[in-house]
Amino acid sequence: DTEVTQTPKHLVMGMTNKKSLKCEQHMGHRAMYWYKQKAKKPPELMFVYSYEKLSINESVPSRFSPECPNSSLLNLHLHALQPEDSALYLCASSRPQGVAGTEAFFGQGTRLTVV
Amino acid sequence: GENVEQHPSTLSVQEGDSAVIKCTYSDSASNYFPWYKQELGKRPQLIIDIRSNVGEKKDQRIAVTLNKTAKHFSLHITETQPEDSAVYFCAARGILSGGYNKLIFGAGTRLAVHP
Repeated sequence: DTEVTQTPKHLVMGMTNKKSLKCEQHMGHRAMYWYKQKAKKPPELMFVYSYEKLSINESVPSRFSPECPNSSLLNLHLHALQPEDSALYLCASSRPQGVAGTEAFFGQGTRLTVV
Repeated sequence: GENVEQHPSTLSVQEGDSAVIKCTYSDSASNYFPWYKQELGKRPQLIIDIRSNVGEKKDQRIAVTLNKTAKHFSLHITETQPEDSAVYFCAARGILSGGYNKLIFGAGTRLAVHP
């Protein structure tokens, strides 16, 4: 199984809503990531979890709150978002650095629209 | 900070021709260089990667070369086909304290292969 599964595929939310994005992988990867991708731009790193601990927060606003309940799951909790937060949110996983075969596998993404 | 520059931003070729995309990176400690292909509305998919202890790697019509001294790496696609049309991203793995895995992406190259 080389899949990273993200749900939902599409999400429309109002600026006062609270929603969550979910990501799951069963490749035994102990590093998981959230990226944000705007149209015609490269993925932009938001958060990195390594062994279920938050290791990198790229100065992301607090309206985005990541959570890693276990080694297979990664969530991104959303609250009070702005229209400019509309983007494709990608989850990825890999073996932590220092272990052979550290390629990152991406999920299909959640296309988020904030209205 | 770490930076990856990618050129060209767009590339148009005739079917059967070769395509070359070039990237340079700033962090001399980077040791892993993947290439991703992203079709419209889909996830980035790893197509080939190279590690810093190797100068060249080939997989059928795709090859990647790495010049560590010059901090350059390139993607070569031979005998291009219309299905090669996509956006291609190069990336370099930045080395952070604690050994965390952080990919830094180039801005992307939109490749169009015309029949």
